[in-house]
Amino acid sequence: AQRVTQPEKLLSVFKGAPVELKCNYSYSGSPELFWYVQYSRQRLQLLLRHISRESIKGFTADLNKGETSFHLKKPFAQEEDSAMYYCAGEGGKLIFGQGTTLQVKP
Amino acid sequence: DAGVIQSPRHEVTEMGQEVTLRCKPISGHNSLFWYRQTMMRGLELLIYFNNNVPIDDSGMPEDRFSAKMPNASFSTLKIQPSEPRDSAVYFCASRPTGNQPQHFGDGTRLSIL
Repeated sequence: AQRVTQPEKLLSVFKGAPVELKCNYSYSGSPELFWYVQYSRQRLQLLLRHISRESIKGFTADLNKGETSFHLKKPFAQEEDSAMYYCAGEGGKLIFGQGTTLQVKP
Repeated sequence: DAGVIQSPRHEVTEMGQEVTLRCKPISGHNSLFWYRQTMMRGLELLIYFNNNVPIDDSGMPEDRFSAKMPNASFSTLKIQPSEPRDSAVYFCASRPTGNQPQHFGDGTRLSIL
């Protein structure tokens, strides 16, 4: 079965610290992978998609097919990065992970 | 484009009442999705449509839930009768053809008393 797993419900770091939000996927074939962000009480917004290989708001994510991972990284966290982050895989329909709340403390 | 438009933004009603949530997708988008978000279960896909046709409704929790898409610019999600455990934020999303990113609406925050 297709599955996206985010093992951490909450990740708390201090401002300026590196951040890594973990995402693992289980898919037959090669899914397209995304990261969405949801700021407090707002709509989900696309942050990154793996085929773009771009950096948005300082975040990057690399697809590792060997480890079936698509971890989201940022070298220096900012307070405004505090939000819920969802990893999602597309294979006909979008399947979301459980989400990780990132809390960046001052 | 105004993006995906959902109404109402908030709904508070008593259990047993019928609830209808509405969604207007982005013009030209062929696929529409309904999601439910709760603290306990995260984001769950309820149903999605391609070209107004329901493709996968396996996420619809039970027969009290139904969704329709009478045309390309409008969809409804109905709960009848509603129960307190249906309280959640319901999101609608749309996307063009293919594996393009989904665009989400602001959601409807539903509280069933």
